[in-house]
Amino acid sequence: EDQVTQSPEALRLQEGESSSLNCSYTVSGLRGLFWYRQDPGKGPEFLFTLYSAGEEKEKERLKATLTKKESFLHITAPKPEDSATYLCAVQVYGGSQGNLIFGKGTKLSVKP
Amino acid sequence: DTAVSQTPKYLVTQMGNDKSIKCEQNLGHDTMYWYKQDSKKFLKIMFSYNNKELIINETVPNRFSPKSPDKAHLNLHINSLELGDSAVYFCASSQGTTPYNEQFFGPGTRLTVL
Repeated sequence: EDQVTQSPEALRLQEGESSSLNCSYTVSGLRGLFWYRQDPGKGPEFLFTLYSAGEEKEKERLKATLTKKESFLHITAPKPEDSATYLCAVQVYGGSQGNLIFGKGTKLSVKP
Repeated sequence: DTAVSQTPKYLVTQMGNDKSIKCEQNLGHDTMYWYKQDSKKFLKIMFSYNNKELIINETVPNRFSPKSPDKAHLNLHINSLELGDSAVYFCASSQGTTPYNEQFFGPGTRLTVL
């Protein structure tokens, strides 16, 4: 069964304290791995798509990387406005119609 | 400006009732989805709808039925509501179904069944 596991469940950082979020996956065939950000009371907001091992993408203080078994979301010098839940999802070959399989998310809190 | 919109934002109802949630996208996308986010914040696909082809997640009870009057709308109808249906329901859309086609999510509808 295709599965996505995120760790830690929650992460508290001080402003400026860099860290990484982990997303490990077990899938039959990976078409793409996605990172989303979700703020309380809102829908997920797209951040990145990664397609193959070794790929990296950056956006402001965020950098996503991908290996054959996991992905990391690195947050450099975070600010309070980076506080949110970060969701990882995969799309697999043989899956239905582009459906995403999500992990349970990592809730990030950044204190000033 | 809203890309994917849902109504209502909140829905409180009694067990056994029938209710609908509406979703509209103004992005011109050809694929729409319904996801359910439970109390533990776990987001799970329920349906996807592309070019009049409906794919149903096998774990979804047949009390749930998506209805698409046109390409821009995918409504969710729920019969005989149960306590366990309480969750946040998200609509999403994409142009195509490959990983190159990012999904845009609506703001969610929080359903509470009493």
